[in-house]
Amino acid sequence: ELKVEQNPLFLSMQEGKNYTIYCNYSTTSDRLYWYRQDPGKSLESLFVLLSNGAVKQEGRLMASLDTKARLSTLHITAAVHDLSATYFCAVDKNTDKLIFGTGTRLQVFP
Amino acid sequence: GAGVSQSPSNKVTEKGKDVELRCDPISGHTALYWYRQSLGQGLEFLIYFQGNSAPDKSGLPSDRFSAERTGGSVSTLTIQRTQQEDSAVYLCASSLGLGSGGSNEQFFGPGTRLTVL
Repeated sequence: ELKVEQNPLFLSMQEGKNYTIYCNYSTTSDRLYWYRQDPGKSLESLFVLLSNGAVKQEGRLMASLDTKARLSTLHITAAVHDLSATYFCAVDKNTDKLIFGTGTRLQVFP
Repeated sequence: GAGVSQSPSNKVTEKGKDVELRCDPISGHTALYWYRQSLGQGLEFLIYFQGNSAPDKSGLPSDRFSAERTGGSVSTLTIQRTQQEDSAVYLCASSLGLGSGGSNEQFFGPGTRLTVL
């Protein structure tokens, strides 16, 4: 059974600081996704990672994938308040359905 | 040309009643998914439709849950004899499908918040 774990579950960080969210999954997977969810809102797609070593960046967020370690990271550079949200990673195994991690609730304070 | 739409946005019902939730996928997307998000269980897959293939119902929690997709577009998720544990946000997503030769990125609708009293 494919399982996805994220850590930390909760992250409170100061503006301007850097941090990394980790996503581990239990079996080989074809694709890994990162989503953002604001309170009371739906899921917004951030990144799609399709191969080992893939790295994608958008603004202050950078995602990477190591399929051998079954690990993806979401790195936050010089955090700003607007990044406060819950971040989910998800994987699929060529079955289309997404298996989601527990989510990481990020709070950025001044 | 919008994204995935869902209705109603909120639904309050009494225990034992039936409810229907609707999803309109992005035009041209052949794959449609239903997920559920609740405090205790996180985000869970419920059911998946791809074109004319038989749906993958492996995530439906009980036989009180069913879904259909008419004409390869709009989908309805039906919950019969609702229970309090059915209270959750029900999210619909659509994608181009595996045959798109790429990421099969799923785009989510705003969700329906279901409260069972």
